[in-house]
Amino acid sequence: AQRVTQPEKLLSVFKGAPVELKCNYSYSGSPELFWYVQYSRQRLQLLLRHISRESIKGFTADLNKGETSFHLKKPFAQEEDSAMYYCALIHGSSNTGKLIFGQGTTLQVKP
Amino acid sequence: DVKVTQSSRYLVKRTGEKVFLECVQDMDHENMFWYRQDPGLGLRLIYFSYDVKMKEKGDIPEGYSVSREKKERFSLILESASTNQTSMYLCASSFSRGRQFFGPGTRLTVL
Repeated sequence: AQRVTQPEKLLSVFKGAPVELKCNYSYSGSPELFWYVQYSRQRLQLLLRHISRESIKGFTADLNKGETSFHLKKPFAQEEDSAMYYCALIHGSSNTGKLIFGQGTTLQVKP
Repeated sequence: DVKVTQSSRYLVKRTGEKVFLECVQDMDHENMFWYRQDPGLGLRLIYFSYDVKMKEKGDIPEGYSVSREKKERFSLILESASTNQTSMYLCASSFSRGRQFFGPGTRLTVL
């Protein structure tokens, strides 16, 4: 079964420290993976997708097919990075864009 | 800029009431989705629609139904609200396998 697992409910770091939000997935084909973010009092929005290979707000994520992981990283955390982060996987070969989300990780960046 | 709007930000209903949650998008997206967002459980898909009058069950459809009579509008219906349906409800829309755009959410409390 296709599944996304985010093992940490809460990750708390100090400003300037490196951040790694973990995401593991189970999927038998070629996965398409995303990170979505929800800042306080804002709507959920796309942060980045693996096919774009981009860096957004200093965050990067590399797809590791061997370890079936898509961890989100940032070398120096900022207070404004505090938010809820969700890893997501596109479901199968469907054209509907149906996503499977992980349980979410709250990132808390302390001053 | 894509706009996804939801009819209410906060809603309080009584057990047994019929509840309608409305979602409207203005970007001519084919796909529309309804999720529940609960702490520790992430986002869980209730129903989605890939065209007018077309719908498919998601992971947790029990106790819910949907309606899509027009492309821009996707309604979630709780036939007989129960306390375990107290939650944050998020609507989203997308083109094909593209990114999903989310509404601001409706926080529903069932007493």
